[in-house]
Amino acid sequence: DAKTTQPPSMDCAEGRAANLPCNHSTISGNEYVYWYRQIHSQGPQYIIHGLKNNETNEMASLIITEDRKSSTLILPHATLRDTAVYYCIVRVRGGGSNYKLTFGKGTLLTVNP
Amino acid sequence: DSGVTQTPKHLITATGQRVTLRCSPRSGDLSVYWYQQSLDQGLQFLIHYYNGEERAKGNILERFSAQQFPDLHSELNLSSLELGDSALYFCASSVGDYYNEQFFGPGTRLTVL
Repeated sequence: DAKTTQPPSMDCAEGRAANLPCNHSTISGNEYVYWYRQIHSQGPQYIIHGLKNNETNEMASLIITEDRKSSTLILPHATLRDTAVYYCIVRVRGGGSNYKLTFGKGTLLTVNP
Repeated sequence: DSGVTQTPKHLITATGQRVTLRCSPRSGDLSVYWYQQSLDQGLQFLIHYYNGEERAKGNILERFSAQQFPDLHSELNLSSLELGDSALYFCASSVGDYYNEQFFGPGTRLTVL
């Protein structure tokens, strides 16, 4: 799996957009970008994933650069409940026999009132 | 609510004892994954079952074992417990045997005294 780099922490004002960056310069052509988050001591929560096109769902938007070496997760209107550790994971979607997710240290997003 | 249930929520036991953690996947999901999260290690993948068959093993100790039953629920058995086994144990499920969109349960907090 390609290595990812995320800032250890970020702050965001409530109601504003939170933009969380992730660098994955060694990503290969068949690897997807996945985002999960973990609110303190709760189970991680799947947010979104994408291959090369930008993706949007009810939780967030994922913007992947044209060269796919970096991506940004956007929470359009952050609330206090979005305070969590956000993990960017890059891996192949299918194939092989080992489907474990490898969680790095992620970014602690703190949404302030 | 992810649809994945785990019991018990909390478990306190003594060193040398044996415990069983239980997980029920989301309706329709055939894959179950187990993860361990301790303070100093982060989230570590333990084992993956698909439709009753073991698919992949991670950093699972020999003292730990798991199985997935015909009704698709899974149990993680931890024996000869040590202080260092104190952690949060999460179960996740997914539709197939190769999807990375995994849905996590609320976890079982195990404390070994």
